[in-house]
Amino acid sequence: GQNIDQPTEMTATEGAIVQINCTYQTSGFNGLFWYQQHAGEAPTFLSYNVLDGLEEKGRFSSFLSRSKGYSYLLLKELQMKDSASYLCANNQGGKLIFGQGTELSVKP
Amino acid sequence: ETGVTQSPTHLIKTRGQQVTLRCSSQSGHNTVSWYQQALGQGPQFIFQYYREEENGRGNFPPRFSGLQFPNYSSELNVNALELDDSALYLCASSFRTGTGVGNIQYFGAGTRLSVL
Repeated sequence: GQNIDQPTEMTATEGAIVQINCTYQTSGFNGLFWYQQHAGEAPTFLSYNVLDGLEEKGRFSSFLSRSKGYSYLLLKELQMKDSASYLCANNQGGKLIFGQGTELSVKP
Repeated sequence: ETGVTQSPTHLIKTRGQQVTLRCSSQSGHNTVSWYQQALGQGPQFIFQYYREEENGRGNFPPRFSGLQFPNYSSELNVNALELDDSALYLCASSFRTGTGVGNIQYFGAGTRLSVL
């Protein structure tokens, strides 16, 4: 199968750090994408990991372990505007297989 | 703004009707992918078009069909609409090189289709 698993919901406090985990099927893997989607809007690209390790981009970082079929998105210094759905997607030969998304609520 | 535009933004149809959704890709992009997103779910891959030909298809019946035009814009057609077709339809464009893997897909805002 091509299952992608990520938590359905998470809550965090403004200014804190949150880690959103994602596990995926490793067969046919070509990379792991993270997208952010605000309600009623298009998914916007956050990161793409092909090799193992951590990639940092400002307040957002993404990690990949290919042997474990595992990735996480780390959000630091949370802001209210970070409240959104975060989508993990497995790149299967150019076709993106998405998880159901993690709805993150940032509270004051 | 991703430069990917979709029309219309909202559409209401009745069961059994046909619908055509349109997508203009970002300038310089040659590949268009279509996704269906039900409420509270992640997008599901419908199909992808590259150089005016279908290049991969997800688990959708033949009544979902598409086209890509020489300017790389694309259409998604759905025949014999069913109630379960109610969803947000997203178009994503990318620039394909070589095998096409690893190309970042940029999404439009989508068309919200309601089937009554």
